[in-house]
Amino acid sequence: AQRVTQPEKLLSVFKGAPVELKCNYSYSGSPELFWYVQYSRQRLQLLLRHISRESIKGFTADLNKGETSFHLKKPFAQEEDSAMYYCALRDAGGTSYGKLTFGQGTILTVHP
Amino acid sequence: EAGVTQFPSHSVIEKGQTVTLRCDPISGHDNLYWYRRVMGKEIKFLLHFVKESKQDESGMPNNRFLAERTGGTYSTLKVQPAELEDSGVYFCASSQGGLAGNQPQHFGDGTRLSIL
Repeated sequence: AQRVTQPEKLLSVFKGAPVELKCNYSYSGSPELFWYVQYSRQRLQLLLRHISRESIKGFTADLNKGETSFHLKKPFAQEEDSAMYYCALRDAGGTSYGKLTFGQGTILTVHP
Repeated sequence: EAGVTQFPSHSVIEKGQTVTLRCDPISGHDNLYWYRRVMGKEIKFLLHFVKESKQDESGMPNNRFLAERTGGTYSTLKVQPAELEDSGVYFCASSQGGLAGNQPQHFGDGTRLSIL
């Protein structure tokens, strides 16, 4: 069975500080990993997917298959980054037809 | 392009009553997913439609939940009779593509369901 773990429910940093939101997964197949973000009073939206290997809003995430991790990083946090962040996994090669498995989410608060 | 739309945004009903949630996906999206987040827990998959067909309903909690997608357009999720543990936020998502479902999923605002 696939599982996604986000060990931190809450994470607080000051503006300008580096931030890292942790995500670990367990899955025996070929996973595709995502980060979704939900800002206050907005809907859940895709932030990053590992196959794109791009930086969005200054965030990056690298899939580490050896450590089964997909941590989200940003070198200099901004107040507008405050939000709920979800790590999610999808089976890229099997028969799950696209369903996502989510972690519990991390609430990031960036203080001025 | 209009996003995924869900109705109602919030529903409060008593235990034993029936509630129907609706989701209008992005036009042209064949894949439609339902998810649920129960208080304090992670967002969990309920089921997946490809057009009007149920592709995967492995996440449906029990037979009190019935999902339909007549004509392959909007979808409804009915809970009958509702129980206290059904309270939570129900999300709908849609994506392009066919069976592979490998396109990004776009989420609606969710319906907050409260069972009293």
